[in-house]
Amino acid sequence: GAVVSQHPSRVICKSGTSVKIECRSLDFQATTMFWYRQFPKQSLMLMATSNEGSKATYEQGVEKDKFLINHASLTLSTLTVTSAHPEDSSFYICSGPRPSTDTQYFGPGTRLTVL
Amino acid sequence: SQQGEEDPQALSIQEGENATMNCSYKTSINNLQWYRQNSGRGLVHLILIRSNEREKHSGRLRVTLDTSKKSSSLLITASRAADTASYFCATDITGTASKLTFGTGTRLQVTL
Repeated sequence: GAVVSQHPSRVICKSGTSVKIECRSLDFQATTMFWYRQFPKQSLMLMATSNEGSKATYEQGVEKDKFLINHASLTLSTLTVTSAHPEDSSFYICSGPRPSTDTQYFGPGTRLTVL
Repeated sequence: SQQGEEDPQALSIQEGENATMNCSYKTSINNLQWYRQNSGRGLVHLILIRSNEREKHSGRLRVTLDTSKKSSSLLITASRAADTASYFCATDITGTASKLTFGTGTRLQVTL
């Protein structure tokens, strides 16, 4: 069935560097994809909605200049954490609408650790 | 604040017992969905119940929805060790598979 992949699954970086996370829909097209952040033992918080061919929509409190989202094709959305700091360490999960349903497929997540 | 609050936060039961998790939300919804997350992994959709439905079954899962109380429950019957995971409810206001608002989650531990 249709799935969503993320790459990398884990990344460790130094403070001040930028990290790019890819989210791909493998056998369905997604004009919209969603990026979530999850801190340990907490729930998922929606960060932004990625829109193919247009600007992403960010949730209140999420800095658009820090979390850059690009949705260049119907199967790929990327999230770039710019000038990462230790407080950005988290589990980042993307999702895409499951075709012909009201549910979403979730990627396996990316564990970001900023030293 | 988050849309959904789940109760209990953690639940530990023995294999074969039933597990019940509750979710409360604050605004009107189109549907409510339950997802499962194994530790450090992505989420897997379990079941969706629409606002005009009161109960739904899928295998060992039973979901109820009470829109007057803005609450839902997930019952897992005859639990197995493999059911150990975190379970989240998520509300969809628009019904377009768009913005889901997740509850706080219940961590279920099923022991042998």
